[in-house]
Amino acid sequence: DAKTTQPPSMDCAEGRAANLPCNHSTISGNEYVYWYRQIHSQGPQYIIHGLKNNETNEMASLIITEDRKSSTLILPHATLRDTAVYYCIARRINDYKLSFGAGTTVTVRA
Amino acid sequence: DGGITQSPKYLFRKEGQNVTLSCEQNLNHDAMYWYRQDPGQGLRLIYYSQIVNDFQKGDIAEGYSVSREKKESFPLTVTSAQKNPTAFYLCASSRDRDRGGEQYFGPGTRLTVT
Repeated sequence: DAKTTQPPSMDCAEGRAANLPCNHSTISGNEYVYWYRQIHSQGPQYIIHGLKNNETNEMASLIITEDRKSSTLILPHATLRDTAVYYCIARRINDYKLSFGAGTTVTVRA
Repeated sequence: DGGITQSPKYLFRKEGQNVTLSCEQNLNHDAMYWYRQDPGQGLRLIYYSQIVNDFQKGDIAEGYSVSREKKESFPLTVTSAQKNPTAFYLCASSRDRDRGGEQYFGPGTRLTVT
């Protein structure tokens, strides 16, 4: 799986959009980008994934650059409950596993 | 409610004892996984199972064993051979291998061995 690089931490103001970057410059054509988050002392939660096109669901939007070397997860209106570690993961189609790195610790401040 | 349950939430054992962590799901998922998380780090895959009576080693299987006798259950045994067993253990499931990227996680079991 391609290596992903994320900033170790970032702050966000409550009610504002949170833009979480992820670099995956070595991603191959058959690798999806997945995002998960883990609230303190809980199990990770799936957020969204995509291959080439931008994706949106009830939780977030995923913007993937045209060359697929980077992506941004957007939380449109951050709340205090969005404080968590966010993981960006590159995963081959039909691979059995997810490779979690250190992620980005996002702190939403009132 | 559908989901994954892990019990207990906290577990304490003496060194040299085997301990079994429970994981049950009622999502009718084919695939199940066990991960380990150490403080400040990401998750590492221990074992996974794509179907009943079948399982494969992940990245850090040494000192662990699993069974998959029922679709709903995937218990993990931490044996005395595991050198550093104290960790946060997470169980997950996915509908099948095709949807293996969308994993649903349980609340975890925090194991402390002294």
